[in-house]
Amino acid sequence: DGGITQSPKYLFRKEGQNVTLSCEQNLNHDAMYWYRQDPGQGLRLIYYSQIVNDFQKGDIAEGYSVSREKKESFPLTVTSAQKNPTAFYLCASSSSGEGPPWAQYFGPGTRLTVL
Amino acid sequence: RKEVEQDPGPFNVPEGATVAFNCTYSNSASQSFFWYRQDCRKEPKLLMSVYSSGNEDGRFTAQLNRASQYISLLIRDSKLSDSATYLCVVHEAGANNLFFGTGTRLTVIP
Repeated sequence: DGGITQSPKYLFRKEGQNVTLSCEQNLNHDAMYWYRQDPGQGLRLIYYSQIVNDFQKGDIAEGYSVSREKKESFPLTVTSAQKNPTAFYLCASSSSGEGPPWAQYFGPGTRLTVL
Repeated sequence: RKEVEQDPGPFNVPEGATVAFNCTYSNSASQSFFWYRQDCRKEPKLLMSVYSSGNEDGRFTAQLNRASQYISLLIRDSKLSDSATYLCVVHEAGANNLFFGTGTRLTVIP
């Protein structure tokens, strides 16, 4: 089955620790995205990548870092510099060639809690 | 000013009712429009794209009004399983990402 996977589903972290969230897709999509969602708020873009070895900051990149070494993978690191990291993190991907233009498809998300 | 604005609801409707949501967007150059559905504590899922001519998928009808810069979603014969949050999503010309509304919450009551 083609799709996007994220792991872990739930993650607990102590303050001051870095943590890396995994996102993998086998849809052969070029573009991948990271969002965070807080209660009562819309999705906010953290980082996105349109091709391998290239990525761009979104609206709230401070305290986060990413890499895109492979087309299938776009891991997100939440660093200790992120002031309020507790949130629901969603990874998405999109294809320029298939499906509705610009439509994004989401993984199941990782719920991060900082203790 | 937010790029995409929606009435957060909640909309509580009985089974079988027809319900409509509207969404406004700020950038007149926006090109692509979508409705996503998000269940509680789950990821958003693409419900349908919105085309200029309007489009229908079963009980769901989406319409676009470019002059007034709003998008609508109509759900006919509501089912209990339609209970979810509906996100209005817009792609602006020249942007590399989507803009998401905060969502409209729908609860269908038996």
